[in-house]
Amino acid sequence: ETGVTQTPRHLVMGMTNKKSLKCEQHLGHNAMYWYKQSAKKPLELMFVYNFKEQTENNSVPSRFSPECPNSSHLFLHLHTLQPEDSALYLCASSQEPPRQGQHQPQHFGDGTRLSIL
Amino acid sequence: GQNIDQPTEMTATEGAIVQINCTYQTSGFNGLFWYQQHAGEAPTFLSYNVLDGLEEKGRFSSFLSRSKGYSYLLLKELQMKDSASYLCAVREESTGGFKTIFGAGTRLFVKA
Repeated sequence: ETGVTQTPRHLVMGMTNKKSLKCEQHLGHNAMYWYKQSAKKPLELMFVYNFKEQTENNSVPSRFSPECPNSSHLFLHLHTLQPEDSALYLCASSQEPPRQGQHQPQHFGDGTRLSIL
Repeated sequence: GQNIDQPTEMTATEGAIVQINCTYQTSGFNGLFWYQQHAGEAPTFLSYNVLDGLEEKGRFSSFLSRSKGYSYLLLKELQMKDSASYLCAVREESTGGFKTIFGAGTRLFVKA
């Protein structure tokens, strides 16, 4: 149990489909993140939410639409994706800023493996 | 700009010691993390350095030199289960707060 739960674990969709990825954290953190992980490439930060407010959009195409209804839940809505969007999508959470005297690593979910046909 | 470099792959023998290097170029440095990621699983936190020197935690140690933009992760008494990817990540100040930049990871293969 990592404290960060992502669903679904695997998703196959056509380019014209609409689907959503879900992330839930049970750690009491106030910041949540979406990352894209492609083979042999660094984790790419997509979006950051802090206290439900989006604080970072890393030039992500509009076919990816995040939603953060509260500090425990994060969604990534997908629409009209391209084959190059096939990747592992990881959600993470952390406490920002870190509590005094502590370092705060990000806690990751197991990810959603997305395949675009 | 941001740049984190680490070797793509390494191979080591069970019981041995391996050192995984990481170099970085960043502004507003605020700490360096090492994560372990097994195939198909979430990255998990291993170590954190914000001051120069060595941090030891069991079989794993991590070293930081801020002036050189350099860190390494040292794994002792290697076990087969240590076969995984090891991600170096730098936390830095950015507009609106902090963000963490990840390297591409080093895939470690431990052989018998």
